Amino acid sequence: SQELEQSPQSLIVQEGKNLTINCTSSKTLYGLYWYKQKYGEGLIFLMMLQKGGEEKSHEKITAKLDEKKQQSSLHITASQPSHAGIYLCGADRLAQGGSEKLVFGKGTKLTVNP
Amino acid sequence: NAGVTQTPKFQVLKTGQSMTLQCAQDMNHNSMYWYRQDPGMGLRLIYYSASEGTTDKGEVPNGYNVSRLNKREFSLRLESAAPSQTSVYFCASRRTAGYGYTFGSGTRLTVV
Repeated sequence: SQELEQSPQSLIVQEGKNLTINCTSSKTLYGLYWYKQKYGEGLIFLMMLQKGGEEKSHEKITAKLDEKKQQSSLHITASQPSHAGIYLCGADRLAQGGSEKLVFGKGTKLTVNP
Repeated sequence: NAGVTQTPKFQVLKTGQSMTLQCAQDMNHNSMYWYRQDPGMGLRLIYYSASEGTTDKGEVPNGYNVSRLNKREFSLRLESAAPSQTSVYFCASRRTAGYGYTFGSGTRLTVV
């Protein structure tokens, strides 16, 4: 079962437009991670959120975790072709023995047209 | 550069062949993970190792075995490769809870 739901699955925007990607969980999110992946390449860490209501920004990308810690959003302002790729949200889940494992949503494919 | 190193980067196998994917990290991280990525499926956890000497199954462990050789190395073995195992495999590591995960650049495996 997919524990994290990402929406939309794909997104095509014109350069300069703002956009938002959502990540929703049926369980409380204790550690929420956003990664970006260029086609055919590895994952690039963007941001980690842990506290309800937390918001972090890096350049033109802002990520938020809601107060209930069940939904996160990634917002890109004034998108550029360099923002194109697959955006993945991941969350910590408690595993056997108290250890943690990282589970992912299916990803959002972003295309930015010049 | 410090990070997670995966070898090989590309591999083609025939059905029934075996192989081991290697992963090493030089950041003194405690936890290590193996994922596979398939189109439209995101990343799915195969196996993980919370600490040296321990390994646990993830979401899709069937057809795979792992070895946490030491703190640095975590290998993934396919004993009898099947076309369904054609995928991109990623290794990741993490210092401990509360810290982020670092990913390798991936191994693209094709089973024919």
